[in-house]
Amino acid sequence: NAGVTQTPKFRVLKTGQSMTLLCAQDMNHEYMYWYRQDPGMGLRLIHYSVGEGTTAKGEVPDGYNVSRLKKQNFLLGLESAAPSQTSVYFCASSRTGAEAFFGQGTRLTVV
Amino acid sequence: KNEVEQSPQNLTAQEGEFITINCSYSVGISALHWLQQHPGGGIVSLFMLSSGKKKHGRLIATINIQEKHSSLHITASHPRDSAVYICAAQGGSEKLVFGKGTKLTVNP
Repeated sequence: NAGVTQTPKFRVLKTGQSMTLLCAQDMNHEYMYWYRQDPGMGLRLIHYSVGEGTTAKGEVPDGYNVSRLKKQNFLLGLESAAPSQTSVYFCASSRTGAEAFFGQGTRLTVV
Repeated sequence: KNEVEQSPQNLTAQEGEFITINCSYSVGISALHWLQQHPGGGIVSLFMLSSGKKKHGRLIATINIQEKHSSLHITASHPRDSAVYICAAQGGSEKLVFGKGTKLTVNP
């Protein structure tokens, strides 16, 4: 099993550009999450999904959109990137009452 | 105020020492997670617990629900234990609220 796979692993964007981060899990997990990690701060929840076709806002959703058209995939979109979105992004998945599994992270720099 | 507080923020130990990292939370939880993040950046789950104590090798995690406090202990620490240890409180929809992490350095 691959677990949770994030693509890409690194990306540099110019301000105003758009991009999509892909998260794929092969564990048939219901729950999927996108977090961002910034220096001096804990991981913060951007958006999450409790099942295929559902999404919900987390703590810091502004500037991001998500979609979960298939149970195994959770996409995070940045429509118009800003320098404040420079961060390391982590995807995670879990099922009820069990541990969470994390992707390896995507390091995004917006210049 | 962060809902999940960890202490200490940084910890340096000599190989072989017993290590304790503390976590306090102010929210109602269904479970408490301990995670490990290595310098390469990947995050792995160490423990998920809702009561009592769990042990895995040299790692022990405890939780006191009444006091809203959890501890992670590492016995006979080793340089390979050097990492950031993160506490996270689990609430509704299995969402996690994270502490800021404790950076552990174990010197040989």
